[in-house]
Amino acid sequence: GIQVEQSPPDLILQEGANSTLRCNFSDSVNNLQWFHQNPWGQLINLFYIPSGTKQNGRLSATTVATERYSLLYISSSQTTDSGVYFCASRGQRGTGFQKLVFGTGTRLLVSP
Amino acid sequence: EAQVTQNPRYLITVTGKKLTVTCSQNMNHEYMSWYRQDPGLGLRQIYYSMNVEVTDKGDVPEGYKVSRKEKRNFPLILESPSPNQTSLYFCASSDRGRGYGYTFGSGTRLTVV
Repeated sequence: GIQVEQSPPDLILQEGANSTLRCNFSDSVNNLQWFHQNPWGQLINLFYIPSGTKQNGRLSATTVATERYSLLYISSSQTTDSGVYFCASRGQRGTGFQKLVFGTGTRLLVSP
Repeated sequence: EAQVTQNPRYLITVTGKKLTVTCSQNMNHEYMSWYRQDPGLGLRQIYYSMNVEVTDKGDVPEGYKVSRKEKRNFPLILESPSPNQTSLYFCASSDRGRGYGYTFGSGTRLTVV
């Protein structure tokens, strides 16, 4: 089945800094999503982005499906951005179509 | 507000005492699923449902049951919980046709002692 790798695994930032998180996937995907898991464990849907670029406030994401990667940009980071960021995707029809496969996550700590 | 609602948020129980974690969505989604999250193992799918009365096993179904009698509800049942089912559980739903992605509930942190 599809495999999803994320980098970096850990990231420490000073408040106000910018960062880029990367997600590589092993096969053609659909339903590529980025999630933020906050310190209380909640999974917050950030972007549904199977291709192209989207922006939402200080966050933006780009997926280049033909090259099998997606990027999440965080600008002017705030302490509330801390947590774990996951990308996830559903595979193509056939095996793995009915579930999201999650990457291992990037743990972000933003210090004041 | 469009959402997936799980209850309870936190639960401590004893080995062998049957429990149900409820999940309800108000988006008229056909597809619903359950995941568990464990340190070092990530999120793994337990069961999923493509529509009412249609359910199937995910990657880690042992020890769990589900039912889908109504479109909006997808409860997770642990008939005889064991300590290895201590985990953070998530319910998710999706409208397969529109491709808007998955919406997750807030999670249920279960401890079995």
